[in-house]
Amino acid sequence: EVQLVQSGAEVKKPGESLKISCQGSGYNFDTYWIVWVRQMAGKGLEWMGFIYPGDSETRYSPSFQGQVTISADKSINTAYLQWSSLKASDTAMYYCARQDSKGFDPWGQGTLVTVSS
Amino acid sequence: QSVLTQPPSASGTPGQRVTISCSGSSSNVGSKPVKWYQQLPGTAPKLLIYSTNQRPSGVPDRFSGSKSGTSASLAISGLQSEDEADYYCAAWDDRLNGPVFGGGTKLTVL
Repeated sequence: EVQLVQSGAEVKKPGESLKISCQGSGYNFDTYWIVWVRQMAGKGLEWMGFIYPGDSETRYSPSFQGQVTISADKSINTAYLQWSSLKASDTAMYYCARQDSKGFDPWGQGTLVTVSS
Repeated sequence: QSVLTQPPSASGTPGQRVTISCSGSSSNVGSKPVKWYQQLPGTAPKLLIYSTNQRPSGVPDRFSGSKSGTSASLAISGLQSEDEADYYCAAWDDRLNGPVFGGGTKLTVL
């Protein structure tokens, strides 16, 4: 079964750093793009960026360029999303998903990030 | 605001047919395949329709997609209570060089 499993919920203070993860299984992790998507409370889906784990090529949405860093370690089938200095406005649910020929499928279960002083 | 435009809400009674619209432009819906995602309450989104009108394995044929020009639609026939969810349309956008989503439509089964 193709599956993406994300790291657990995080509670952080403004200014702190954070790295969340997304581990794939059941398929060749190297050869599919992984996308990160933000969903703020009660809001819609926003594309943040992609990474190709095979060579770590990344593409960022203009809205998130410079705000986050996407990386991957193909040796452990894991993609990452990180912040160097969190803001309260980063509070949201973050999803990873595999991009295949049909679309984003499957999705991880989501990681809730709460930033509050 | 989202690049693709969806109505914020839709509703129907069990057994009815409902449609959800998705309006875009020539750089996305008008020239690219449309996808639809279903997000049940408290869960991650799930791919419901791809290539505008194709269903992944396991998706009931009550769900169908279509497109005309720069607008797409998702139709759900034989509405069931378990269809109550948020539905998002999506497409690649050539101008933004990335995927764009609709704002989502909350479907209520009365």
